[in-house]
Amino acid sequence: DTGVSQDPRHKITKRGQNVTFRCDPISEHNRLYWYRQTLGQGPEFLTYFQNEAQLEKSRLLSDRFSAERPKGSFSTLEIQRTEQGDSAMYLCASSLGRGRSYEQYFGPGTRLTVT
Amino acid sequence: AQTVTQSQPEMSVQEAETVTLSCTYDTSESNYYLFWYKQPPSRQMILVIRQEAYKQQNATENRFSVNFQKAAKSFSLKISDSQLGDTAMYFCAFMRGAQKLVFGQGTRLTINP
Repeated sequence: DTGVSQDPRHKITKRGQNVTFRCDPISEHNRLYWYRQTLGQGPEFLTYFQNEAQLEKSRLLSDRFSAERPKGSFSTLEIQRTEQGDSAMYLCASSLGRGRSYEQYFGPGTRLTVT
Repeated sequence: AQTVTQSQPEMSVQEAETVTLSCTYDTSESNYYLFWYKQPPSRQMILVIRQEAYKQQNATENRFSVNFQKAAKSFSLKISDSQLGDTAMYFCAFMRGAQKLVFGQGTRLTINP
């Protein structure tokens, strides 16, 4: 059983550019979560999906951020018109969403640097 | 809104010693889950241990155990016989149902040889 994968692992972009990240959850996991982590801090929740439905979005998720999970499998997180404050590690996690399987398993993250 | 507080930004112990990391949380919920995650340097987040709030028995996973005090809203992690590979950031996290995790600020643990 492969773990959660994220692509790319690192992204350097110039301010004002758009970026898109991809997350592939553990197969059969119907819940998928996005978090943002800045250096030395705990992850902060951004949004999550059950299958293809986006169930909750954080107030941290400005209008420049959008996430999709079109077929209930992989998900993408897009940031438009990036700002230096968007520099962070973007983490994806997945879970089965029931019973003991409420446990969330994390991917390696995508480190974004906005110059 | 739920909050999670880890009051120890950094801790350092010698290999083979026992160390306890503290965590307190604030919630009005009665049913929830608590977790400890480990994040080694430049590596991904790993689940260490979980506790269901409705269970009175403290969870144990090999060298890792918790002291869950529901009334005090306290959830500490004890690492016995610490090893060099335990060096990492440790995050306490709260979850209601199958929803989002709310993390604490983390404790940087260093195990010295």
